[in-house]
Amino acid sequence: GQSLEQPSEVTAVEGAIVQINCTYQTSGFYGLSWYQQHDGGAPTFLSYNGLDGLEETGRFSSFLSRSDSYGYLLLQELQMKDSASYFCAVKWYSNYQLIWGAGTKLIIKP
Amino acid sequence: EAGVVQSPRYKIIEKKQPVAFWCNPISGHNTLYWYRQNLGQGPELLIRYENEEAVDDSQLPKDRFSAERLKGVDSTLKIQPAELGDSAVYLCASSLDGVSRGPTFGAGSRLTVL
Repeated sequence: GQSLEQPSEVTAVEGAIVQINCTYQTSGFYGLSWYQQHDGGAPTFLSYNGLDGLEETGRFSSFLSRSDSYGYLLLQELQMKDSASYFCAVKWYSNYQLIWGAGTKLIIKP
Repeated sequence: EAGVVQSPRYKIIEKKQPVAFWCNPISGHNTLYWYRQNLGQGPELLIRYENEEAVDDSQLPKDRFSAERLKGVDSTLKIQPAELGDSAVYLCASSLDGVSRGPTFGAGSRLTVL
């Protein structure tokens, strides 16, 4: 079936770098998206990889390797406000449905 | 530009009561989505509209859930009757087309069924 796997929780220190991985079990999708969601808030779009490789947007970067069925979100110079849940999601060719991972809760310690 | 607007933000009802949620998407966005999100989980698609046509409602529990998108703009999602397990956040999202990188979400409507 179609599924995405993410770690449930990651802990890091303020100012550090953290990588959140996303692996998937399928093929035939348009691209990999990343969303940030603070407690009680709505998911907010962060980054999109339509092609393999690295996309950089400020402190955030995202990577996709279709041959490895793998992607990641990299957060640099962590700030306390980055404490949130991060979701990877892919949109399938077959029905355009956006399939989401269960999310990774990022905990940042001072 | 204004974002996706949803109302109400919070709703508490007793089981077996009806409830309705409203969504106004970003102007010009022809694709509209309704998602349900339970605590600690990712959003789950309920229904997707392309303009006024529901093109994917395979995940919508049609015995109690209904949705409409009149004139291809605003949309409503209704639950009747509500059950305890319907307690969740109902998210509306919109995008320019169904193939884009991902939709823009509204703040959500948090439903508590007692």
